[in-house]
Amino acid sequence: GENVEQHPSTLSVQEGDSAVIKCTYSDSASNYFPWYKQELGKRPQLIIDIRSNVGEKKDQRIAVTLNKTAKHFSLHITETQPEDSAVYFCAGRSFQKLVFGTGTRLLVSP
Amino acid sequence: DVKVTQSSRYLVKRTGEKVFLECVQDMDHENMFWYRQDPGLGLRLIYFSYDVKMKEKGDIPEGYSVSREKKERFSLILESASTNQTSMYLCASSGQNTGELFFGEGSRLTVL
Repeated sequence: GENVEQHPSTLSVQEGDSAVIKCTYSDSASNYFPWYKQELGKRPQLIIDIRSNVGEKKDQRIAVTLNKTAKHFSLHITETQPEDSAVYFCAGRSFQKLVFGTGTRLLVSP
Repeated sequence: DVKVTQSSRYLVKRTGEKVFLECVQDMDHENMFWYRQDPGLGLRLIYFSYDVKMKEKGDIPEGYSVSREKKERFSLILESASTNQTSMYLCASSGQNTGELFFGEGSRLTVL
């Protein structure tokens, strides 16, 4: 089955810096890769996703890149703000199952 | 606005008790999921269902069972709760042709 690994587990940046979170997956049949943001005490919410027929997708300050050959995908956040502080989860989907990474705690300091 | 509602936010149970966690969604979604969330381990899939009365094991089904008698409701059952089942349980749903999961607020279960 699918296995998703996520790094780093914690990431501290200064406001305005960029942040990058990386994930690798094992199942070459996986075709959908979402990213979820979970603020403290709240439910995870989808922030961006990418399908396997696309290499990059952007939405304002966030972008996701996918390298199918290497089986890795990354979340890029530019011009970070304190409200970006949260836990971010990557995931990969294979046969209706969404498998999550272990999460990255991002702390953006003013 | 999609709404996924979990019946209990906080529960405290004793070892050996039977525990029911209920989840209801109001968007006519075909797929429903139960995850548990533990620090450092992320979200791990316990069971999922893609249709009424259908269920599939996730990655950590041991010690759990599920029930989906109606499309909008997906229940997680701990037949005999154990201390290692102390965790945050998250229910989620998604449509047939969309990938986005909509999560409930979670049920924090403590087993003493």
